[in-house]
Amino acid sequence: GAVVSQHPSRVICKSGTSVKIECRSLDFQATTMFWYRQFPKKSLMLMATSNEGSKATYEQGVEKDKFLINHASLTLSTLTVTSAHPEDSSFYICSAIGRRYYNEQFFGPGTRLTVL
Amino acid sequence: GEDVEQSLFLSVREGDSSVINCTYTDSSSTYLYWYKQEPGAGLQLLTYIFSNMDMKQDQRLTVLLNKKDKHLSLRIADTQTGDSAIYFCAERGDSSYKLIFGSGTRLLVRP
Repeated sequence: GAVVSQHPSRVICKSGTSVKIECRSLDFQATTMFWYRQFPKKSLMLMATSNEGSKATYEQGVEKDKFLINHASLTLSTLTVTSAHPEDSSFYICSAIGRRYYNEQFFGPGTRLTVL
Repeated sequence: GEDVEQSLFLSVREGDSSVINCTYTDSSSTYLYWYKQEPGAGLQLLTYIFSNMDMKQDQRLTVLLNKKDKHLSLRIADTQTGDSAIYFCAERGDSSYKLIFGSGTRLLVRP
């Protein structure tokens, strides 16, 4: 099956700093990657969709300058939370689809961000 | 807009069958998915069904789709304690790969 990894799995940072989260497809080429945010005991909220080599498409209400997404290669997408504040604390999950698995969206294990 | 709804909680006894229900509103849904999430982890794809199918079975899992009523269900046969988790249904429209998730159903399996 297809494997998606995320790094780090957990990060604690001070308010005002920036945090970068990596999402990698390990054994397939991801044509599209997605970034989700999940609040405790809640469903997943899609933040943005990124295609390799092009700008990310953000969902309504998601600040582009706050959540910077880069999809530089077919196996790597990064989410940078800039000038993080306590309200940005959440569980961030990425997912990916590839040419071989275009009907299946595979999820990473998630990154727990805590902003103090 | 698109909406996916699930009941929040289900408790069953080990060895019984579990049925988790989901309703959706988007009539143009092409694929419907079931994901499992264990505490502190990402989502694991369990199975999915194409909208022109009525049923799909995969080992202990059976998915039933009533497209007329926009109702999807996941049946887990011989439920085990390891099946305790949150189960999300999700639907995908015909024009993008974007998934719309339900709120998740927390399944508790009692010994």
